[in-house]
Amino acid sequence: DAGVIQSPRHEVTEMGQEVTLRCKPISGHDYLFWYRQTMMRGLELLIYFNNNVPIDDSGMPEDRFSAKMPNASFSTLKIQPSEPRDSAVYFCASSLAAGNTEAFFGQGTRLTVV
Amino acid sequence: GQQLNQSPQSMFIQEGEDVSMNCTSSSIFNTWLWYKQDPGEGPVLLIALYKAGELTSNGRLTAQFGITRKDSFLNISASIPSDVGIYFCAGPPNTGGFKTIFGAGTRLFVKA
Repeated sequence: DAGVIQSPRHEVTEMGQEVTLRCKPISGHDYLFWYRQTMMRGLELLIYFNNNVPIDDSGMPEDRFSAKMPNASFSTLKIQPSEPRDSAVYFCASSLAAGNTEAFFGQGTRLTVV
Repeated sequence: GQQLNQSPQSMFIQEGEDVSMNCTSSSIFNTWLWYKQDPGEGPVLLIALYKAGELTSNGRLTAQFGITRKDSFLNISASIPSDVGIYFCAGPPNTGGFKTIFGAGTRLFVKA
């Protein structure tokens, strides 16, 4: 298995632009998580899905952020409009049925908003 | 909400030294997970602990689930340069659900 695949690896965009981050989870994993990592706040859970359904989006910072999972093999995290404070590394992770087992992380997308 | 507090924040050690880091919470966790993040990569699971008092090893790494269920520690013996990275403790809050929260991490630097 190729593991969790995220794209792009790096994204530089201007303030106000829409940004879409993509994730392909490991086949057969029922849970998908989006995390954001910054020096100041560490790894924060933004939202997670179970069987393509959003379960907990309490970590989504504000309405500018939205996430979708149209099918079991694809998810997107969209920021519209982007702001400089959104600059961070965004990770997607997936896991099997139980939440207390290993989450497999992608390599992340480093987002820079200028 | 529940938080995980890791210490120390960073460590600078010499190759060959042993390392100890820990993680505490104000509330009970039923699972403790230890991850390592290499530079430019996502975190990777090192050790999972599921029972109070459990002591588990993975090569030079040893982790223990505290008997109060509010803490855990990770030891690395005979450190090597590739041990450099950020070590996170993590776990699902006992409030239910399947999300995993992470501590702030311990940054380890190993001097050859």
